[in-house]
Amino acid sequence: QSVLTQPPSVSAAPGQKVTISCSGSNSNIGKNYVSWFQQLPGTAPKLLMYENNKRPSGIPDRFSGSKSGTSATLDITGLQTGDEADYYCGTWDIRLSGGVFGGGTKLTVL
Amino acid sequence: EVQLVESGGGLVQPGRSLRLSCAVSGFTFDDYAMHWVRQAPGKGLEWVSSISWKSDSIAYADSVKGRFTISRDNAKNSLHLQMNSLRAEDTALYYCAKDLYPWFGESSLDSWGQGTLVTVSS
Repeated sequence: QSVLTQPPSVSAAPGQKVTISCSGSNSNIGKNYVSWFQQLPGTAPKLLMYENNKRPSGIPDRFSGSKSGTSATLDITGLQTGDEADYYCGTWDIRLSGGVFGGGTKLTVL
Repeated sequence: EVQLVESGGGLVQPGRSLRLSCAVSGFTFDDYAMHWVRQAPGKGLEWVSSISWKSDSIAYADSVKGRFTISRDNAKNSLHLQMNSLRAEDTALYYCAKDLYPWFGESSLDSWGQGTLVTVSS
């Protein structure tokens, strides 16, 4: 059981938009920045978003993040088949004094 | 180019020990916090441990506290994870990851290695 809650799967057609949610609590998302990671099949995770809505260099602006209260969302627009991956949210939990991840969301581009 | 290369994984019996290492290059190692994150086969990511740039701040997941020890050698650009009293549930691919900052707590893991597989089984 993950501390952060994500939907197990989402799907959409190429070119469409998808939103992945991440729900936490006042001890984690409510107090700290959220990061998002993309894990393509058979590869290591890759940082997609940090400090809620900042993109590392090389990440296209089709990816955007936001946070409100104890929840965060990752939006992906103009979906491409290459976006098929597992997506994880992560943050720090001050009650646990440790990092926490969501259970991951598998994105399927139909 | 930032590179992180883990090593030291393998098959080990329950109760035994293993020491993982992560050799880094392409950035000033002692300017950044570092992390270990693991992923059990077919499962999600689990944070394991973090260490600040000067090793003055360290944190562990409850699941490994008292059994695992994180350390770093800034002179040798290397990160380590000493794993004692291993259990079957420690079986996972172990990734080392670099932080964007000298301290941890922002979960901004911006570079990851390819991982080293640890299998705990009799």
